[in-house]
Amino acid sequence: DQQVKQNSPSLSVQEGRISILNCDYTNSMFDYFLWYKKYPAEGPTFLISISSIKDKNEDGRFTVFLNKSAKHLSLHIVPSQPGDSAVYFCAAASGTYKYIFGTGTRLKVLA
Amino acid sequence: DSGVTQTPKHLITATGQRVTLRCSPRSGDLSVYWYQQSLDQGLQFLIQYYNGEERAKGNILERFSAQQFPDLHSELNLSSLELGDSALYFCATSDRSNTGELFFGEGSRLTVL
Repeated sequence: DQQVKQNSPSLSVQEGRISILNCDYTNSMFDYFLWYKKYPAEGPTFLISISSIKDKNEDGRFTVFLNKSAKHLSLHIVPSQPGDSAVYFCAAASGTYKYIFGTGTRLKVLA
Repeated sequence: DSGVTQTPKHLITATGQRVTLRCSPRSGDLSVYWYQQSLDQGLQFLIQYYNGEERAKGNILERFSAQQFPDLHSELNLSSLELGDSALYFCATSDRSNTGELFFGEGSRLTVL
């Protein structure tokens, strides 16, 4: 049972344009959501998070949107840069302490 | 550098064998999470410890076990290894029991031949 889904395995975007990565979840008990970036041969690194009491959180070029009624969150990267090319994981957490990760989306930013 | 240290970085072993993966958390982090990433798969949650006690269990096989020691480092023991156990094993730590940011180590790559 995949509680956190990233339905797009890969995404290619031109440098300077917007990258939109999507994530859906099924468990309405999740109350905290995070995005991680992973380069090859490295561990995932934290990008941005959002609590379920908010619908938007912004940090520089990165913005996360949360639509609780649709159980959907998205990560917007504007403008996209070649260094953003990586695998992006969304994760959800709840009071039961588990962080559940999606399967990841490989983003390629074309110069 | 996240401050989370995992050893060994690479490990090659044979089926039926037993291995131990080690994780040293950042100073002050009480929570340790273990994840498995198989080829082209996401991060599968295995188990969480908080201040020495097991807090949550995910898809961890009975052949696998973990513990967190008084100095807060953690070990993941994998026994009766099978080819399908070949994966990257990540440890992540946090200063809280829930929510907050997880800090990941660089992972231990296990290859079972």
